[in-house]
Amino acid sequence: DQQVKQNSPSLSVQEGRISILNCDYTNSMFDYFLWYKKYPAEGPTFLISISSIKDKNEDGRFTVFLNKSAKHLSLHIVPSQPGDSAVYFCAARDDKIIFGKGTRLHILP
Amino acid sequence: DTAVSQTPKYLVTQMGNDKSIKCEQNLGHDTMYWYKQDSKKFLKIMFSYNNKELIINETVPNRFSPKSPDKAHLNLHINSLELGDSAVYFCASSHPGPGLGELFFGEGSRLTVL
Repeated sequence: DQQVKQNSPSLSVQEGRISILNCDYTNSMFDYFLWYKKYPAEGPTFLISISSIKDKNEDGRFTVFLNKSAKHLSLHIVPSQPGDSAVYFCAARDDKIIFGKGTRLHILP
Repeated sequence: DTAVSQTPKYLVTQMGNDKSIKCEQNLGHDTMYWYKQDSKKFLKIMFSYNNKELIINETVPNRFSPKSPDKAHLNLHINSLELGDSAVYFCASSHPGPGLGELFFGEGSRLTVL
């Protein structure tokens, strides 16, 4: 019973282009959505979040979009840089934080 | 100066053994967690403690027993280890309440049960 789904296990993007990572959820009670980034042999680190009452939040090269009617959110990274290569976890909160399976992003030179 | 530290980082052991993973945070947070990342890469919450009290137990087998001696520490003890317990276990902490809910994770402890 996956409440948070990341249907793309991996994504390859050319350096300098836009990376778009997608996430779908099923629980309409989620009030907060978060993106975490994880490098190998390290713990996930917080990247950006959005409240359920907003539809966009921007922080530098990272923008998260929320479409509540579609129960969909996406993370845009522009321009993509080599250091962005990592696994990105989408997460959502009700009384706890629930994570998706992650999407591995490869930034190609 | 590590914010959330967990030891050991790697643990290889035989089925049936008992093992512990320790976690400490120096962020002054009230809430600590254990998450498990299994072979399918799902990162699933196991336990949550707020100020030494258990607040979330996600139907984890009772072979797993968390212990919080104080709010800066949350240790995980596992009895009678099974093959399916092989995973990476992440400790995390956060401020409680209706705020951001941002989790700060440790580096993970990779447990391999043979």
